[in-house]
Amino acid sequence: DAKTTQPNSMESNEEEPVHLPCNHSTISGTDYIHWYRQLPSQGPEYVIHGLTSNVNNRMASLAIAEDRKSSTLILHRATLRDAAVYYCGGDSNYQLIWGAGTKLIIKP
Amino acid sequence: DVKVTQSSRYLVKRTGEKVFLECVQDMDHENMFWYRQDPGLGLRLIYFSYDVKMKEKGDIPEGYSVSREKKERFSLILESASTNQTSMYLCASSLRGASGIQYFGAGTRLSVL
Repeated sequence: DAKTTQPNSMESNEEEPVHLPCNHSTISGTDYIHWYRQLPSQGPEYVIHGLTSNVNNRMASLAIAEDRKSSTLILHRATLRDAAVYYCGGDSNYQLIWGAGTKLIIKP
Repeated sequence: DVKVTQSSRYLVKRTGEKVFLECVQDMDHENMFWYRQDPGLGLRLIYFSYDVKMKEKGDIPEGYSVSREKKERFSLILESASTNQTSMYLCASSLRGASGIQYFGAGTRLSVL
């Protein structure tokens, strides 16, 4: 079975970079890697996705390992508003295989 | 802005009741999804639909059914609600498969007593 694993929680200081890891042990060569985040009392929202090379957008950067078995979401300068649960997933046959999520705690 | 609207934020039902959760999207997306979210388990896919009247089982379809009669609307049905179906239910839509960005509703927190 496809499997995506993430740490349960991470802490970071405000205005410092944050690196959130994800393992995609069974991802195939054509599956995109996605990251979403969920703020309290809201549905998840898209952050970033990529296939093989690193990706950047206004919210974050995505670093994908050469073997694609792991990825890292990078928040370059965390703010209190970035406190959320971050989900990674690999897509497979219409489905996203989601991890259980990492709760990111930002300390002022 | 893409909008995915779930009909209720909170719902309380009794064991054995038939429950309908409704989801509407306004972006003409082909694909729609129903997830269940429980603490420590993340998002688990119940059913998805890639076209009108088409549906596919996800990871945990038991006890649920779905209906998609119109492109913009995807309904989740609990034929006979049970207490272990107490959960947060999230609907999402996307333009193309799972490699397209998924847009989520705010969720429906269902309590079955």
